[in-house]
Amino acid sequence: GDSVTQTEGLVTVTEGLPVKLNCTYQTTYLTIAFFWYVQYLNEAPQVLLKSSTDNKRTEHQGFHATLHKSSSSFHLQKSSAQLSDSALYYCALRLSNVGDNSKLIWGLGTSLVVNP
Amino acid sequence: GPKVLQIPSHQIIDMGQMVTLNCDPVSNHLYFYWYKQILGQQMEFLVNFYNGKVMEKSKLFKDQFSVERPDGSYFTLKIQPTALEDSAVYFCASSPDRAEVFFGKGTRLTVV
Repeated sequence: GDSVTQTEGLVTVTEGLPVKLNCTYQTTYLTIAFFWYVQYLNEAPQVLLKSSTDNKRTEHQGFHATLHKSSSSFHLQKSSAQLSDSALYYCALRLSNVGDNSKLIWGLGTSLVVNP
Repeated sequence: GPKVLQIPSHQIIDMGQMVTLNCDPVSNHLYFYWYKQILGQQMEFLVNFYNGKVMEKSKLFKDQFSVERPDGSYFTLKIQPTALEDSAVYFCASSPDRAEVFFGKGTRLTVV
């Protein structure tokens, strides 16, 4: 079936250092879109990045990700982590069905802790 | 940005009782969703709703579950009767066009 895998439950990094959160997926659908959602403490999940174009880098708030269909990946990266980046990060896959429906398939989430 | 409101943030209910989870979606949105997240597990799709009808539901959307949006107001998830395994955080979401989905903060339901 369709699935999204985030291999790390917790990533700890020192402020100013680079960070990478892994996301891979499995699906038979050809038309897909990918999202990274960020959820700060006691807040709603919100879109951080989105992409549906293969091999195109997308950026927002210093984070970037590139959808690679050849390796079924959509890893999230930042060159210099900030204390305010500490949050829960979800990778999510949207399947576009013929029947005008859509739903998100979620990874387990990765908790990012940035230390001073 | 647009806000989806879920009130209350936490509900405690006796097993076997009925519970209604309320969601105030973004006013001009047309698509509505419920997701369920059990502690320590991933968020899972329950149902989506459009034009007054359930469009798709997952295996998790048991017969005891129902959704409605009467008079275009709150989008509700009703569970009747509740079971212990219904304890989870329920996230409501809405979208204007399915391109981007906006989530509420979730309601933590505890069935005792």
